[in-house]
Amino acid sequence: KAGVTQTPRYLIKTRGQQVTLSCSPISGHRSVSWYQQTPGQGLQFLFEYFSETQRNKGNFPGRFSGRQFSNSRSEMNVSTLELGDSALYLCASSGEDSYYGYTFGSGTRLTVV
Amino acid sequence: QKEVEQDPGPLSVPEGAIVSLNCTYSNSAFQYFMWYRQYSRKGPELLMYTYSSGNKEDGRFTAQVDKSSKYISLFIRDSQPSDSATYLCAIKGNTPLVFGKGTRLSVIA
Repeated sequence: KAGVTQTPRYLIKTRGQQVTLSCSPISGHRSVSWYQQTPGQGLQFLFEYFSETQRNKGNFPGRFSGRQFSNSRSEMNVSTLELGDSALYLCASSGEDSYYGYTFGSGTRLTVV
Repeated sequence: QKEVEQDPGPLSVPEGAIVSLNCTYSNSAFQYFMWYRQYSRKGPELLMYTYSSGNKEDGRFTAQVDKSSKYISLFIRDSQPSDSATYLCAIKGNTPLVFGKGTRLSVIA
């Protein structure tokens, strides 16, 4: 069974640019969540999608957005990149019952210079 | 007060030691408790989950939850160098998963 696939693995962008990250969940999983991980703040919740609808949103500025497609694949977009957006962005998928944990991908390491 | 507090360590122990990792949480609405392990340059991997107070054992790992004290623990028996990783507690109610900041563990051979 394939796991959660995130692309690209590494990305270097310049301040002011925008970036799109992709996540393919485990087959059959309809829920996709995104987290930002930094050494100082740990894992912080960005948003959660279920069946193409945003179900929850974390406390991030509007520059961070996401969407989910009918095949459950998800993308997140960050516009007008800032140096502080440098982080590991993790995607996690879960089945109908998400109370028993999520399966994470290996993440996309974004560096903003 | 943060929703979940976890001592970041680092924690360094000799091979074979018993390791105790702990988290406290503030919201009594949290009902589901998990531990994740994260190796360098990898995503977190679910180790154990539970929803009730008490102990749950899986091989060398034991998860303990005390809802009255809002305190959760993970014990690792006979620790191995391969257990060297960052361990994250994660807690959930009718909300997305909330994570502790993680404890970095090194097991020295």
